[in-house]
Amino acid sequence: SQQGEEDPQALSIQEGENATMNCSYKTSINNLQWYRQNSGRGLVHLILIRSNEREKHSGRLRVTLDTSKKSSSLLITASRAADTASYFCATVAASNFGNEKLTFGTGTRLTIIP
Amino acid sequence: DVKVTQSSRYLVKRTGEKVFLECVQDMDHENMFWYRQDPGLGLRLIYFSYDVKMKEKGDIPEGYSVSREKKERFSLILESASTNQTSMYLCACRHDGRGASYEQYFGPGTRLTVT
Repeated sequence: SQQGEEDPQALSIQEGENATMNCSYKTSINNLQWYRQNSGRGLVHLILIRSNEREKHSGRLRVTLDTSKKSSSLLITASRAADTASYFCATVAASNFGNEKLTFGTGTRLTIIP
Repeated sequence: DVKVTQSSRYLVKRTGEKVFLECVQDMDHENMFWYRQDPGLGLRLIYFSYDVKMKEKGDIPEGYSVSREKKERFSLILESASTNQTSMYLCACRHDGRGASYEQYFGPGTRLTVT
């Protein structure tokens, strides 16, 4: 079953603009993670936010988490052509913490136009 | 850096063939995972293993089996390949325990086509 659903499914912006992607999930979580996938390649971990955190930063990335709305957003500031990729959120459910399985969403395809 | 390798980037097999997909990690991680990725469906967990010779079914185990004889190697087996198993297959590993970050490290993927 898919836990996370990303919105939008696809996003195109000009280089230098900010990109925002959203993720909604259904059950209580222990943590939420964001991954990037370049075309035809494996996924790379970007950032993890725990259920007791509301915001986290890593370089040009900013992640927020609203557990009351069961949603998260990923903001990429000052986008670059190299940011073109698919972005996935993944959740670890609170109920199975201790034998964690990540449940991935369907992803947002981000295209940065030079 | 953690390195996860998969035996093939591209594979073409015929319906009914037995297919082995190999995954090797070099960081002594306890947990290993097999996913398949299809357009519009995201990543779906097939099987995972949290120790040698241990395996657990994921969300879509039907038609697949796995083997983990050594800690660093996790194999996915398609006993009799079918066309609906045409997909991208991704292997991942993760370290748990004190101080773990819970991030998963992925291999480059194997794009399997069953004809």
